[in-house]
Amino acid sequence: GAVVSQHPSWVICKSGTSVKIECRSLDFQATTMFWYRQFPKQSLMLMATSNEGSKATYEQGVEKDKFLINHASLTLSTLTVTSAHPEDSSFYICSARDPNGGMNTEAFFGQGTRLTVV
Amino acid sequence: DAKTTQPPSMDCAEGRAANLPCNHSTISGNEYVYWYRQIHSQGPQYIIHGLKNNETNEMASLIITEDRKSSTLILPHATLRDTAVYYCIVRVGGNQFYFGTGTSLTVIP
Repeated sequence: GAVVSQHPSWVICKSGTSVKIECRSLDFQATTMFWYRQFPKQSLMLMATSNEGSKATYEQGVEKDKFLINHASLTLSTLTVTSAHPEDSSFYICSARDPNGGMNTEAFFGQGTRLTVV
Repeated sequence: DAKTTQPPSMDCAEGRAANLPCNHSTISGNEYVYWYRQIHSQGPQYIIHGLKNNETNEMASLIITEDRKSSTLILPHATLRDTAVYYCIVRVGGNQFYFGTGTSLTVIP
């Protein structure tokens, strides 16, 4: 079946630095990908919708200048957490749907990236 | 915003059927119901989805009421590996999947 892969699985960075997380669709082309954030013992919160070849659409309350999203190809979206601080430590997850499966096809999720800012 | 409500937690004996309910009383006529589960520190795993007919696959069965205001996910023979948080999602409008709080299922030996 369709697979979405994230890299890295975990990352530790110093406060004030930037971290890039990659999300790839391995066997289909995704014009749209989605980025989520999950804090401990909480549900997934949608952060933004990544659109290939155009600007991302951010959910209310998500700082677009802090969470930079680039969707430069049909199989790759990146999320860059800029000037990371300890409160940005979280589990970041991406997802994508195969558009060839029809408009009601399921979304597939990456394995997640655990970010720890020290 | 999520359009679903689920009980926060449930227990199920190993080998028995696990029945996880979900209410989606404001669902529209063309909106599908999706079920995912998340095992600790992993990305959500797709289970099943449906519109109005009952659905079954190798993982589970989905029973949707005739008025479509609620549904039940059935794991026919729960194992310890089925311990996870189960999310019922109604996809609103566009492509986005908004997650509710889910049900934490614990399968007990």
